[in-house]
Amino acid sequence: DGGITQSPKYLFRKEGQNVTLSCEQNLNHDAMYWYRQDPGQGLRLIYYSQIVNDFQKGDIAEGYSVSREKKESFPLTVTSAQKNPTAFYLCASSPAGGYTEAFFGQGTRLTVV
Amino acid sequence: RKEVEQDPGPFNVPEGATVAFNCTYSNSASQSFFWYRQDCRKEPKLLMSVYSSGNEDGRFTAQLNRASQYISLLIRDSKLSDSATYLCVVNQRDYKLSFGAGTTVTVRA
Repeated sequence: DGGITQSPKYLFRKEGQNVTLSCEQNLNHDAMYWYRQDPGQGLRLIYYSQIVNDFQKGDIAEGYSVSREKKESFPLTVTSAQKNPTAFYLCASSPAGGYTEAFFGQGTRLTVV
Repeated sequence: RKEVEQDPGPFNVPEGATVAFNCTYSNSASQSFFWYRQDCRKEPKLLMSVYSSGNEDGRFTAQLNRASQYISLLIRDSKLSDSATYLCVVNQRDYKLSFGAGTTVTVRA
């Protein structure tokens, strides 16, 4: 089955810890994205990558880091510098950047305890 | 001004009713427009793309008004299963899709 897989589905982090969210796609899409969603709000772009070994900051990149070493994979690290990390994190991919629709993984719900 | 703005609703309608809502966008150079559906605590899923001439998919009709910079979604003959949050999505630049905060629709029996 083709699609985007995010893991884990639920993640609990202690304050001061870094955590890494996984995102893998087998759709052969060039572009990949990370979004954050808070209750009652729209999706906000954290990072995006249009090709392997290249990525750009989105609107709320502070406290986050990414890598794109393989076309299929775009992991997101939430660092201790992110002051309010509790949120729903969504990874997406698209075949041609912003001109085509994006396909989403099932999301990771991160909670700081 | 936000890049994409939507009426948050909620729109509470009976089964069989027609419901319509709009979304405005700020970038006149935007080229691509979409409606997504998001169920509670789930990921957004593409409902339909929006084309310049308007388009229909079953009970759903989408329209684009470039002059006034808004897109609309109309749902005819509402079903209970249409209850969801509908996200308006607009591309701002070649890489970026901007999402509205969503319009909540609740269809009651």
